[in-house]
Amino acid sequence: SAVISQKPSRDICQRGTSLTIQCQVDSQVTMMFWYRQQPGQSLTLIATANQGSEATYESGFVIDKFPISRPNLTFSTLTVSNMSPEDSSIYLCSISETGLSNSPLHFGNGTRLTVT
Amino acid sequence: AQSVTQLGSHVSVSEGALVLLRCNYSSSVPPYLFWYVQYPNQGLQLLLKYTTGATLVKGINGFEAEFKKSETSFHLTKPSAHMSDAAEYFCAVSEADLGTLTFGKGTMLLVSP
Repeated sequence: SAVISQKPSRDICQRGTSLTIQCQVDSQVTMMFWYRQQPGQSLTLIATANQGSEATYESGFVIDKFPISRPNLTFSTLTVSNMSPEDSSIYLCSISETGLSNSPLHFGNGTRLTVT
Repeated sequence: AQSVTQLGSHVSVSEGALVLLRCNYSSSVPPYLFWYVQYPNQGLQLLLKYTTGATLVKGINGFEAEFKKSETSFHLTKPSAHMSDAAEYFCAVSEADLGTLTFGKGTMLLVSP
């Protein structure tokens, strides 16, 4: 399966700043997603990163807070804007090689973000 | 909307004992079901999946799970726990036609010597 590289692996940021997380895949993939895993919680889908168009956001997530880019079929970025301590989470890039609902998602190692 | 319930946020077993992690789902259509494992400071790794066919599916590291439609369950088992199995396990159900997954809250498996 495709290899997913996510960076940074972790960061400590100050309140009010922004952080951009990068996700690079070693092959072209149909679909890319961004998930959030809050401490002690499960994974929550933030958005689907669409190649060449605006991302599709889930309820509770907005583009101003989590702008996403996907310039091609192998790369995407997620920005966490105007951060607050509540944004401290693990952010995970995931891919679906086929885009079909019976196809598993594969995940990067995540970015562990702490906001002080 | 689909949902996944994992009973028990923590499960403790002794090395060599049976591992049973419970997962129940709700879905209005036949689901696709997945189990993932997350080791400390790592992303999620696919353990096994059920899509169609045989309801008992085998995965990596000796794990298996059985899809029981009548019980809306997809419990994960392993006959004999190893210390290296200590990790967090997530059950997930696929959202039809969207390619995304809905995850349970996870179960931390603790293995003692």
